[in-house]
Amino acid sequence: GAVVSQHPSWVICKSGTSVKIECRSLDFQATTMFWYRQFPKQSLMLMATSNEGSKATYEQGVEKDKFLINHASLTLSTLTVTSAHPEDSSFYICSARVPRVVSSYNEQFFGPGTRLTVL
Amino acid sequence: AQKITQTQPGMFVQEKEAVTLDCTYDTSDPSYGLFWYKQPSSGEMIFLIYQGSYDQQNATEGRYSLNFQKARKSANLVISASQLGDSAMYFCAMREMNTGFQKLVFGTGTRLLVSP
Repeated sequence: GAVVSQHPSWVICKSGTSVKIECRSLDFQATTMFWYRQFPKQSLMLMATSNEGSKATYEQGVEKDKFLINHASLTLSTLTVTSAHPEDSSFYICSARVPRVVSSYNEQFFGPGTRLTVL
Repeated sequence: AQKITQTQPGMFVQEKEAVTLDCTYDTSDPSYGLFWYKQPSSGEMIFLIYQGSYDQQNATEGRYSLNFQKARKSANLVISASQLGDSAMYFCAMREMNTGFQKLVFGTGTRLLVSP
């Protein structure tokens, strides 16, 4: 199947610093990528939809100035958590939509996730 | 309104037995897709099975099958011959094809524990 990578897999940072998480589609071009957040023992909550070459679409309640998303190429989307605070500590997962030529039912393939801990 | 409902926070099953994980959904879009994902403790999301709203037959993938009852708006996952490695969180998700970006919406998940 299609492969999506995330980097870093985990990060610990001090409160007030910014953290960038990369999401890459390794063997296909993804015009659309999604960013999710998952708190312990909870479900995945969609934060934003990232489209190559345009501004991200954020879900209600997600601060766009705090969670900066850039989809600069067809294989890379980045999420930057600006001025991180302990409440931003979470598991962040990206996914990329596979083109129909690869999958007949338009699956999303997920990255392995990034565990962010803000001290 | 909750679009995807998983009412079982946790399920136990003995190895080699079958188990059904419940999922109900709510949508007015006639075109939608239903997905099941497995999330082991490592955190990765593993795609298991897909059912399209227009599919006439229930989807099957190896030991996984989806009991799709459209009128009841349910899409239960059946795992046959459970294995110890099946212990994980299981998420049901839906994609509405006629909404913007066709984003996936997830249920709250069911934690499955397979005992020897």
